[in-house]
Amino acid sequence: AQSVTQPDIHITVSEGASLELRCNYSYGATPYLFWYVQSPGQGLQLLLKYFSGDTLVQGIKGFEAEFKRSQSSFNLRKPSVHWSDAAEYFCAVAPRGNDMRFGAGTRLTVKP
Amino acid sequence: NAGVTQTPKFQVLKTGQSMTLQCAQDMNHEYMSWYRQDPGMGLRLIHYSVGAGITDQGEVPNGYNVSRSTTEDFPLRLLSAAPSQTSVYFCASSPGGETQYFGPGTRLLVL
Repeated sequence: AQSVTQPDIHITVSEGASLELRCNYSYGATPYLFWYVQSPGQGLQLLLKYFSGDTLVQGIKGFEAEFKRSQSSFNLRKPSVHWSDAAEYFCAVAPRGNDMRFGAGTRLTVKP
Repeated sequence: NAGVTQTPKFQVLKTGQSMTLQCAQDMNHEYMSWYRQDPGMGLRLIHYSVGAGITDQGEVPNGYNVSRSTTEDFPLRLLSAAPSQTSVYFCASSPGGETQYFGPGTRLLVL
């Protein structure tokens, strides 16, 4: 079945530590891939996206993500986490453009 | 540009009542979508539209109707609200079916 999986429901990291959030998808062809961030009580903000080309994608707020076709993964990374990065992060795929499907989300807590 | 706007921000309904969630965008985007967000389930697509006069069902369309008479507006109608429809609803628009821009959301509580 077609799906988007974020294996980690909740992650806690210390401020200044590195971060990796995992995302795996199950679709026949490589879909469009996205990461969104949602702060409490807010809408979703696009961090970065991958359509084709270079498999390492740079986004806003110092985030990057790497597309690995062999692993059907699109993991989000940040070298040094700031307290303001505490939020919920959603991986999303769009197999046919507009029909976007989201993972269940990973909640990030940042310890001082 | 105001982007994507949604009204109301919060609504309480009784079971069986009807209501319309409004969504408007001023970016001249062809694609618009409605999602619901429930804890532990991410966002699920309810309905979407690829242009004025064209709508289609997403993952969870039951209990919801949509129409798209103009490019700017994409209202979501609940004909007979049920407690299972308690959720946060997000509207989104997209210029070409790829990157979506989200509204601030509507919190709906059905008693």
